[in-house]
Amino acid sequence: SAVISQKPSRDICQRGTSLTIQCQVDSQVTMMFWYRQQPGQSLTLIATANQGSEATYESGFVIDKFPISRPNLTFSTLTVSNMSPEDSSIYLCSAQTGTGYEQYFGPGTRLTVT
Amino acid sequence: AQTVTQSQPEMSVQEAETVTLSCTYDTSESDYYLFWYKQPPSRQMILVIRQEAYKQQNATENRFSVNFQKAAKSFSLKISDSQLGDAAMYFCAYNEGGSTSNFGNEKLTFGTGTRLTIIP
Repeated sequence: SAVISQKPSRDICQRGTSLTIQCQVDSQVTMMFWYRQQPGQSLTLIATANQGSEATYESGFVIDKFPISRPNLTFSTLTVSNMSPEDSSIYLCSAQTGTGYEQYFGPGTRLTVT
Repeated sequence: AQTVTQSQPEMSVQEAETVTLSCTYDTSESDYYLFWYKQPPSRQMILVIRQEAYKQQNATENRFSVNFQKAAKSFSLKISDSQLGDAAMYFCAYNEGGSTSNFGNEKLTFGTGTRLTIIP
């Protein structure tokens, strides 16, 4: 398993600004993931972040809006750029550990855009 | 594309009773992994149980067990002796793992979730 922390836990931002969310894993992992969860809904994958390569984005998500960094095997950041109220959501990071393909999740960042 | 379906948006159960949450999925792969995650109001996603498709034996973790029917593409979660702390959203999830057709892209596909209420 893995213990994952995220910062900030919540934030209220003005439209047009950007927010960077940090995700820290307590062990080295190859694959990290970023998800968005809108109120009352399931998780939607934004992108997969592998260390040493560019992030792979899912349909509907673009690098200019959600740039991701993965500088080492324990850390990743997701930036939500030029925010609008539609970006209000919970953002979660996860890491895949071991060989069982399970993912362990951080506690999430609740973002409100006004 | 793989899909995961949870047909029960909400379920409720009396404390100490047993409840079963349903999940079906669609895939053309023969090897894959299935999971149940729990998300309480704290919003922390917690792994409850994992099943590998090539294993016929159903996974069990204490009060949690699954009924995995590979041919029917069904993966239900049974919670025995329900406790107040079991109240949460439960998500079924699918991962192709490192299959030949999915190498390097081991992402989870989630169902829409089932909200479980425990009645004291």
